[in-house]
Amino acid sequence: DSGVTQTPKHLITATGQRVTLRCSPRSGDLSVYWYQQSLDQGLQFLIQYYNGEERAKGNILERFSAQQFPDLHSELNLSSLELGDSALYFCASSARTDNEQFFGPGTRLTVL
Amino acid sequence: GESVGLHLPTLSVQEGDNSIINCAYSNSASDYFIWYKQESGKGPQFIIDIRSNMDKRQGQRVTVLLNKTVKHLSLQIAATQPGDSAVYFCAEKGDYKLSFGAGTTVTVRA
Repeated sequence: DSGVTQTPKHLITATGQRVTLRCSPRSGDLSVYWYQQSLDQGLQFLIQYYNGEERAKGNILERFSAQQFPDLHSELNLSSLELGDSALYFCASSARTDNEQFFGPGTRLTVL
Repeated sequence: GESVGLHLPTLSVQEGDNSIINCAYSNSASDYFIWYKQESGKGPQFIIDIRSNMDKRQGQRVTVLLNKTVKHLSLQIAATQPGDSAVYFCAEKGDYKLSFGAGTTVTVRA
């Protein structure tokens, strides 16, 4: 158990819909990272927050957005969902931006 | 652009033998490399890391070797056990983000 929690574990929705994935980092960790893992693209970095502020952006679509709240939990919002958005979404946290990242168990999103 | 890749997508190894998983990277500016293990249905789990000012680092049953001349990273697992069956990813750290390779699936034969 990494100490990072993600909810929900599974999510099934339809094209065009919007969903919110939630992540609680390890106690004391200030950085939160979001990754997408699909069969054809592997693990792709989406976005990082540090203490509430956006720190880095990766291959994140404009239909996706994220935020980190004062209590340091983070949410990833996915809108206008397409079939190709079906994937595992992982959250990771670290104490500082330069430290080892601890991954949560992931949310499996299925878009029908 | 930068890329991180593994040489072989699958590796079958006899229980008790040593495993070697290879990874090539292209960004010579990367200064931090990590190996992750991902078991089925779980998130990636940190195994070992190495900074670019080192060429070898050892952990418990694992050793990471870094050859900056040829931009090559390897993970050696000693006395491979059934619990080592998983997908192994190398990753390089640059500008706050991790770039992952495609992964090598290791299967341990009893």
